[in-house]
Amino acid sequence: EAGVAQSPRYKIIEKRQSVAFWCNPISGHATLYWYQQILGQGPKLLIQFQNNGVVDDSQLPKDRFSAERLKGVDSTLKIQPAKLEDSAVYLCASSWWGETQYFGPGTRLLVL
Amino acid sequence: KQEVTQIPAALSVPEGENLVLNCSFTDSAIYNLQWFRQDPGKGLTSLLLIQSSQREQTSGRLNASLDKSSGRSTLYIAASQPGDSATYLCAVSHGSSNTGKLIFGQGTTLQVKP
Repeated sequence: EAGVAQSPRYKIIEKRQSVAFWCNPISGHATLYWYQQILGQGPKLLIQFQNNGVVDDSQLPKDRFSAERLKGVDSTLKIQPAKLEDSAVYLCASSWWGETQYFGPGTRLLVL
Repeated sequence: KQEVTQIPAALSVPEGENLVLNCSFTDSAIYNLQWFRQDPGKGLTSLLLIQSSQREQTSGRLNASLDKSSGRSTLYIAASQPGDSATYLCAVSHGSSNTGKLIFGQGTTLQVKP
């Protein structure tokens, strides 16, 4: 069974630029999560999808972050414009509803 | 607001030692608690999941306990090996139903020296 795929693995941008991350969940998993993990901290949930609908985006900075999950499969997380404090690892995870979450390798973002 | 804290932040032990990692949470209204392992440059791997009605779970050399009333969980690693070196994260699923939303602690980075 293929795991959760994420790309790119690394990204370096300057502040005020925009960036997008892609996630392909495990086949059949209806629930998809995006987490932000700042160095030295645990992951923080940004947004949770059930199929292509949003379940929870209470911690998503909506003035600069957006996410979509077209057709209930792949998902894209976008930051526009990026700030220095957005430097972090962005993790994608998927699961059956309420079951164990499987995490991708993450995208490491550095904002200069 | 649910908060999860892990102590210590880092731990270094010689190979073969038994060790305990600690996790505490402020609100006992949890659905379950999980322990994850994170290797550098990789995602998280679930190690053990304890339902709120359970007291402990075991997998190989790992044993996790849960005391919901006191807001504490421990992860016990027996006979540690260099391959156990990683960051260990504790996470709770908050609330009376399983929405899947996890609240993580900041992790304990473990180094096992040969």
